[in-house]
Amino acid sequence: DAKTTQPPSMDCAEGRAANLPCNHSTISGNEYVYWYRQIHSQGPQYIIHGLKNNETNEMASLIITEDRKSSTLILPHATLRDTAVYYCLPRETSYDKVIFGPGTSLSVIP
Amino acid sequence: NAGVTQTPKFQVLKTGQSMTLQCAQDMNHEYMSWYRQDPGMGLRLIHYSVGAGITDQGEVPNGYNVSRSTTEDFPLRLLSAAPSQTSVYFCASSSLNEQFFGPGTRLTVL
Repeated sequence: DAKTTQPPSMDCAEGRAANLPCNHSTISGNEYVYWYRQIHSQGPQYIIHGLKNNETNEMASLIITEDRKSSTLILPHATLRDTAVYYCLPRETSYDKVIFGPGTSLSVIP
Repeated sequence: NAGVTQTPKFQVLKTGQSMTLQCAQDMNHEYMSWYRQDPGMGLRLIHYSVGAGITDQGEVPNGYNVSRSTTEDFPLRLLSAAPSQTSVYFCASSSLNEQFFGPGTRLTVL
């Protein structure tokens, strides 16, 4: 399985864009980059995923570098409700037996 | 759709007791899985199932049993609870591209 590196914590001012980086230098050609988040005491929630093109949905944008070794999740206008732990996971499908690492704890500050 | 439901929300056991954590999904997903999450840690895969009648071990299977008699249900059994099994347990159900998590069961073993 590809390994990932994420900063353990980040702060973001409310209303500003939150940019969460992830390094996945050993990602294989068949693996997508998935992002999840976990709000305190709740189950993780799917955010977005992509293979090599940038992706956008109603929650976030995903920017993947051309060499696919890293990606950035962008929350365009962070709110207090976006305070959560964000996980980056390379996986081929949602069926893969992947391990969720410690992720990045994002704190959105008023 | 209720999505993924888990019962109970909270449970306290004494060492050596047995119990079953219930998980059900109404999305007709073939793939289901159980994770545990210890304080400040990521999620670790306990067991998973790719369809009714098929189960397999994840990263930390010892002390847990599972069965999958129907597509909808995937119970997790603790045969003889130990304090090391104090954790929050999440059940998940997956389509090809998305993984949906339940709200979790918070288990304390005294």
